Amino acid sequence: ETGVTQSPTHLIKTRGQQVTLRCSSQSGHNTVSWYQQALGQGPQFIFQYYREEENGRGNFPPRFSGLQFPNYSSELNVNALELDDSALYLCASSLLTSGGFTGELFFGEGSRLTVL
Amino acid sequence: KQEVTQIPAALSVPEGENLVLNCSFTDSAIYNLQWFRQDPGKGLTSLLLIQSSQREQTSGRLNASLDKSSGRSTLYIAASQPGDSATYLCAVPYQGGSEKLVFGKGTKLTVNP
Repeated sequence: ETGVTQSPTHLIKTRGQQVTLRCSSQSGHNTVSWYQQALGQGPQFIFQYYREEENGRGNFPPRFSGLQFPNYSSELNVNALELDDSALYLCASSLLTSGGFTGELFFGEGSRLTVL
Repeated sequence: KQEVTQIPAALSVPEGENLVLNCSFTDSAIYNLQWFRQDPGKGLTSLLLIQSSQREQTSGRLNASLDKSSGRSTLYIAASQPGDSATYLCAVPYQGGSEKLVFGKGTKLTVNP
C-alpha cells in the first residue's frame, strides 16, 4: 500500500450536480496531484497543489477546482457535472525538496465517479 | 507536446513466457520515466523509476530499459505468472524534470495458466 487514501471510493451523481473528492497524501509528502482516467485510457493530469496553491494545471476547464490543506491533504471539486466527467479520479502524492522533486509518485486507489 | 504510445495495446501469453512491453515518447528531454501497474478498477502501483542517467532498472522479475535518444523504453517481464495479469502504463514528465506526468494508454497483459 502507498499510504495515499481517497474517499469516497464510488459515487453516482446526475448532470449539473457538484462533487467533492478527498485525498490524504502519504506521510512526509507535501505535494498532491490529481488525474482523471476515463475507461480504457491512461490517466490525464488535472492539476497539482504545493504549499496550498495550484502549481500547474492540465487541459481542464475552470469548473474543476481544488484545495490543499495545511496537513497536505487535498480536495478536488467538480461543478456542473457532465456525462463525460464519468471516470476514475486518482490522487498522487510526492515530495518536493530544495533539490527538486524526488521523481516518484504514489497513487491512491481512486474515486470512481459515474454521472447519469 | 509530449505524447506517449504503448504497443501492444493488449497481450495474452501462456504462463512462464518471457515478454516485452514497449513505450515510446516524442520529447526526449526527460529526466525520468516511470512504469506502473494497474489492476482492474484500482489505482496505480509504481513498478520502476528510471532516471535519465540510467539505462535500466531491475526489480525482481522486472527489468526496464530507457533509450532517451530514440525516445523508447521497454519493460521486460521474465517467467510470467497469472498474477502478472494487469494493465501496465508508462509515464514521462510533461517537461523535463516535472513530476506532472503524461501517460500512455497502457498494455493490458493476460497471463494464462
